Amino acid sequence: GEDVEQSLFLSVREGDSSVINCTYTDSSSTYLYWYKQEPGAGLQLLTYIFSNMDMKQDQRLTVLLNKKDKHLSLRIADTQTGDSAIYFCAERNRGTGRRALTFGSGTRLQVQP
Amino acid sequence: DAEITQSPRHKITETGRQVTLACHQTWNHNNMFWYRQDLGHGLRLIHYSYGVQDTNKGEVSDGYSVSRSNTEDLPLTLESAASSQTSVYFCASSPTVAGGPEGTQYFGPGTRLTVL
Repeated sequence: GEDVEQSLFLSVREGDSSVINCTYTDSSSTYLYWYKQEPGAGLQLLTYIFSNMDMKQDQRLTVLLNKKDKHLSLRIADTQTGDSAIYFCAERNRGTGRRALTFGSGTRLQVQP
Repeated sequence: DAEITQSPRHKITETGRQVTLACHQTWNHNNMFWYRQDLGHGLRLIHYSYGVQDTNKGEVSDGYSVSRSNTEDLPLTLESAASSQTSVYFCASSPTVAGGPEGTQYFGPGTRLTVL
C-alpha cells in the first residue's frame, strides 16, 4: 500500500534555511502537499505541487520534487521562530479514488533564536 | 466566513461507552473525512464521504461509524469506546474530486479524546 515517510525532528537557528524531506511510494500520485500544524491546532495547507513539476516557489517556500526517486522536499528560507511547528507531507490515496490523503508522520521543526 | 468546526474540543469517557464527535462545515463541500492523529503515525483515515448518504471505510475504520444525512455534517461515532481509541481526531472537507488547490482539504481544529 501507500507509504509516506519523513524524519521526525529538525532543529535550525533563526535566519537559517530549513529543509524538510519526504519520501513516498505511490508512483501514481498526481498531487503532493505540505501541511503545517501549530500546537493545539488543525492542519493548514502550506503549498502543493503537481507531479509534472520539478519545483515550485512560493515566497519563502520552495518545493522540490524528484519523481524518479519519489522524493519531496520543503525548503523554508530565512526560518523564523513562528515557523516552529509540525510539517506533514501528503499524497493522494489511490484506494479512496484520490480524494483522501495519505500523510507522513510529520517532522517537528524547532527554530532556535 | 465559511469554516469547519468540531465539538467537543476535549472529551474524557470510559471504556465501553458510546461517543459521538461532531463535525460541521459551512463551505457546502461534498467531500468530508475523519482522521485520527497518533504519535509516530501521522494522520490515518478512519471514514470518508463523497456526499449525502455516501460513507466509506478508511484504513482504520474498526470500531467507528459515520453517517451523512446532509452536506454540512459528518458525525463520527465510537460504538463502544476502547483505550486504543484515545487520540486526537480531525475532520476535514474538500470541494471537488480534483487534486491541487481545488481539491485541497480544510481541517477542523481537532477533538482530543481520552478513553479511561
